[in-house]
Amino acid sequence: LAKTTQPISMDSYEGQEVNITCSHNNIATNDYITWYQQFPSQGPRFIIQGYKTKVTNEVASLFIPADRKSSTLSLPRVSLSDTAVYYCLVGDPNTGNQFYFGTGTSLTVIP
Amino acid sequence: DAGITQSPRYKITETGRQVTLMCHQTWSHSYMFWYRQDLGHGLRLIYYSAAADITDKGEVPDGYVVSRSKTENFPLTLESATRSQTSVYFCASSEPGTGVYGYTFGSGTRLTVV
Repeated sequence: LAKTTQPISMDSYEGQEVNITCSHNNIATNDYITWYQQFPSQGPRFIIQGYKTKVTNEVASLFIPADRKSSTLSLPRVSLSDTAVYYCLVGDPNTGNQFYFGTGTSLTVIP
Repeated sequence: DAGITQSPRYKITETGRQVTLMCHQTWSHSYMFWYRQDLGHGLRLIYYSAAADITDKGEVPDGYVVSRSKTENFPLTLESATRSQTSVYFCASSEPGTGVYGYTFGSGTRLTVV
């Protein structure tokens, strides 16, 4: 299973765009990249998933370069409510082998 | 209500006692998971199950036992609780191959071993 590496923590001011990068050098051909968000005292919740290039939804964008060895979660104009831990996972959605969350990136949004 | 529910929400137990954490899901998802979360360690996988009667170890399985006789239930048992098992435990479920793939998590069980 592909191991991921993320920064431990990040700070940002309200209204700014935040980019969190995840490294996954050993990503396999069938693997997708999925990001989760976790608030204190809650379980993680799905944010976005992608295979290559760019994916955008109402919450975030996910940028994946051609070699797929890294990915960047982009949160536009963050607010205080975006303060959370963000996890990057890599695995094959069709086989269920996307298990390991790691330590994630703790994002603190400052007023 | 549909979803994934964990019980109890909070539990205090004594060292050496057996304790079982319950997890129930209503979606008939094939995969279920148990994670523990401790400060500085993120989420660590304890056990997972790909289907009823199929379970496998994760990263930190020692001291835990799981079973899955029915698709919807995946209890986690601490056979002889230790203080190092004080943690927040999350159960999750998923169904691979159904389009956008993701986990759905329960609200967690905060376990304190004294």
